[in-house]
Amino acid sequence: QQQVKQSPQSLIVQKGGISIINCAYENTAFDYFPWYQQFPGKGPALLIAIRPDVSEKKEGRFTISFNKSAKQFSLHIMDSQPGDSATYFCAASRRAGANNLFFGTGTRLTVIP
Amino acid sequence: EAGVAQSPRYKIIEKRQSVAFWCNPISGHATLYWYQQILGQGPKLLIQFQNNGVVDDSQLPKDRFSAERLKGVDSTLKIQPAKLEDSAVYLCASRGYKGQRNTGELFFGEGSRLTVL
Repeated sequence: QQQVKQSPQSLIVQKGGISIINCAYENTAFDYFPWYQQFPGKGPALLIAIRPDVSEKKEGRFTISFNKSAKQFSLHIMDSQPGDSATYFCAASRRAGANNLFFGTGTRLTVIP
Repeated sequence: EAGVAQSPRYKIIEKRQSVAFWCNPISGHATLYWYQQILGQGPKLLIQFQNNGVVDDSQLPKDRFSAERLKGVDSTLKIQPAKLEDSAVYLCASRGYKGQRNTGELFFGEGSRLTVL
């Protein structure tokens, strides 16, 4: 059973455009929602994370939007750059990340120059 | 600060053979994880250690997989005997604290890619 559902599977965006990746979860006990970025041959690295007491968090060009009632959250990448081309994973866990992180299936983003 | 170290980076074995992967977490990180990442999927937790004790091994196929973290620092994941479906990248991660507060962030190694023929 997939605890976190992610879409789309792949995404192609022009340089300077906005990339949007969506995730949904079922377990209302989840209270920590990070996004990880993974380049080929590397391990995932934390990009940005949000807790359910806020609806949005922004760090530079990256924004998480969180909708607690719909049990959905999304990653927005503004002014997308070729260097953003990577696979992005949403994840969720209980106890502020102390418990197991359940990852989505990933979105392969390609930013075309 | 040194990152999470893993070895070997690549391993090719025949089915029914055994293999072992090693991980050295970031210094001072008490929590260590082993994840399995099958091509095209997200990482899936195999086992979580807190110091040298097991916190969660509910997803570990215990008939063939074993892991240990004897001194609460580095860890070894073993597969014996391997099956074709074990072909994956095995990621080790560690998590630390800022003072008493769990930061939630996992630091991943580059992974060990296993191919079972």
